[in-house]
Amino acid sequence: DQQVKQNSPSLSVQEGRISILNCDYTNSMFDYFLWYKKYPAEGPTFLISISSIKDKNEDGRFTVFLNKSAKHLSLHIVPSQPGDSAVYFCAARTGGSNYKLTFGKGTLLTVNP
Amino acid sequence: GAGVSQTPSNKVTEKGKYVELRCDPISGHTALYWYRQSLGQGPEFLIYFQGTGAADDSGLPNDRFFAVRPEGSVSTLKIQRTERGDSAVYLCASSGSRLAPGELFFGEGSRLTVL
Repeated sequence: DQQVKQNSPSLSVQEGRISILNCDYTNSMFDYFLWYKKYPAEGPTFLISISSIKDKNEDGRFTVFLNKSAKHLSLHIVPSQPGDSAVYFCAARTGGSNYKLTFGKGTLLTVNP
Repeated sequence: GAGVSQTPSNKVTEKGKYVELRCDPISGHTALYWYRQSLGQGPEFLIYFQGTGAADDSGLPNDRFFAVRPEGSVSTLKIQRTERGDSAVYLCASSGSRLAPGELFFGEGSRLTVL
């Protein structure tokens, strides 16, 4: 049973436009949500996170939105750049356990010049 | 080094053989994690160390898998009697106390192929 779901395996956008990556979850005990970015042959790198008590967190071009009632979060990248092309993983943490992240399957984002 | 270092980067072995994968975390990070990423999946938790002890090994799939961290720094993941289903990228990560909740620093991974 997948507790974190990324239903879009891939997404393609034009440079300069907005990229929206979506993630759904089923476990109400998750208290932190994170996005990781992964380039080929590299390990995932932390991008941005949001606490379950907030509905928005922004860091430069990256904004994460959380809708707890819908158990849905999204990552917005504005404006998208070719260097943003990577696999994006949504992850969630159960309260207090920094180590036991549950990851989605990832979405491959391609930003076309 | 500046980041998490994992060796070997690639390992091809035959079914039934024994394999060791090594992880050298970021200096000063007391927490160390092993995750496994199978093809088409996200990383899955295997084991967590705080210092020298395994604080949680609930993600290890069976008793063929074992990990140690004897001096609280370098860790070794050991897989006995490898099976084809063990083929995956094994990711090591570390974290320190001043990071955001859930923020882990991952290495590049060790790709294990069991023939």
